[in-house]
This record gives sequence, structure tokens and C-alpha cells, in this order.
Amino acid sequence: SYVMTQAPSVSVAPGQTARITCGGNNIGDKSVHWYQQKAGQAPVLVIYYDTDRPAGIPERFSGSNSGDTATLTISRVEAGDEADYYCQVFDGNTDHYVFGTGTKVTVL
Amino acid sequence: QVQLVQSGAEVKKPGSSVKVSCRASGGTFSSHAISWVRQAPGLGLEWMGEIIPMFGTSSDAQNFQDRVRITADESTSTVYMDLSSLKSGDTAVYFCAAIRLASHPNGYFDIWGRGTLVTVSS
Repeated sequence: SYVMTQAPSVSVAPGQTARITCGGNNIGDKSVHWYQQKAGQAPVLVIYYDTDRPAGIPERFSGSNSGDTATLTISRVEAGDEADYYCQVFDGNTDHYVFGTGTKVTVL
Repeated sequence: QVQLVQSGAEVKKPGSSVKVSCRASGGTFSSHAISWVRQAPGLGLEWMGEIIPMFGTSSDAQNFQDRVRITADESTSTVYMDLSSLKSGDTAVYFCAAIRLASHPNGYFDIWGRGTLVTVSS
């Protein structure tokens, strides 16, 4: 089955840029979606189809996807961005939805 | 905007079954596929399976194929997830989540329920 690997944690100072990567074999050929999950809450979509941002999500959130790596970038990080972030794709070989292992973003 | 309302927390014995519901509020499931995603304590998100109520078709993740059953009652706009032969490792929060049929299957989960905690303990 398709596997996507994320770094377990990323620490960033307020105002700096956080980059969260999602590695997978030829992930650039897939549509990648990103979710933010704060403690005790359901996930919230922050990026869809690699680069699109849902209504209400700040422009500070952006995405890219190429080769074997998809990236979620959070610019001008704020304390409220502290959360777990997950990438997600649909694996056409198994007809399964797959989530990445998740990255915990800590704002210093 | 459709909201997903899930049933309350459950405590179950090992070997028993649990049935969790997910009801569409403010609309229907007619234009969505509904998936179940679980999250064990301190761990990540795990997709379990989905149903497309409009077509009555469902699919399950290989990890759960023999134990999970996902059904839908269109008359009440409710989807159910039945998990049998429960083990302590099934202790988790179970979420329902929706993908619009227009973007299925490569689409995104843009509506989530709040989650249902299922605790399996003797």
C-alpha cells in the first residue's frame, strides 16, 4: 500500500516560516490535501489539490507538490498554528485513502 | 452547509461490537461519499472505509475488511459504522468525514464530524 512519511515534529519561532514535508513515491503525480488538527478537535482542511486554500484559511498557508515530496508552508507563524498536520492522498492502486504519519508543529 | 453529527462515547468489552452513527444535519448525504477515519490515542489518522449513500456502494480498508461494516439509511441521512471483535487496540476516536462526489475519489474531506470515543476495556 502507498506510504507517506512526515517528520514527527517541527519547531518554529513566531513570525518565521514552517515547512512540513510529506514524502511518497511519485507523490507529484497525486493530488495532495493537508489537514490541521488541534488537540482534542477534528481535522480541518487547510490545503486541497496541492495548492488551493479553502475559504477562511489564511494566505499564510500554501502548498506545493513535485517529484517525491509535497510541502505545506506556513509563513509568519503564529501561536495559533500550533497543531498536528497531516497530508492525504487517494491511492488508485488499492482504492484506499491514505494519510501521512503526521507532523507536530510547535511554536517556540 | 451540511454538518456531521456523531453519536456519543461508548465503552465496550473485548470481543463485542460497536455501532457508531453519523447524521447529516442541515442537508443530506446525496452529494457526498462518507468515510470513517479513526485515531488511536497519541497516534495518527487511519482510514477505515467509505460508503456512497446515493449508490449504496461501500469499500473497506484491508486492515479492517473482515471486521468493519459501513451502512447508510438515506431516510434519516445517517451513516453507520459497525466494528466487530473489538480489541483493546481499537480504543480510538472515530471520525466520519465527507468528500463531495464531484471530486470523488481524488478529492478531500471538507466536512468532519466531531468524533466518537470508543473505549475497549475489560
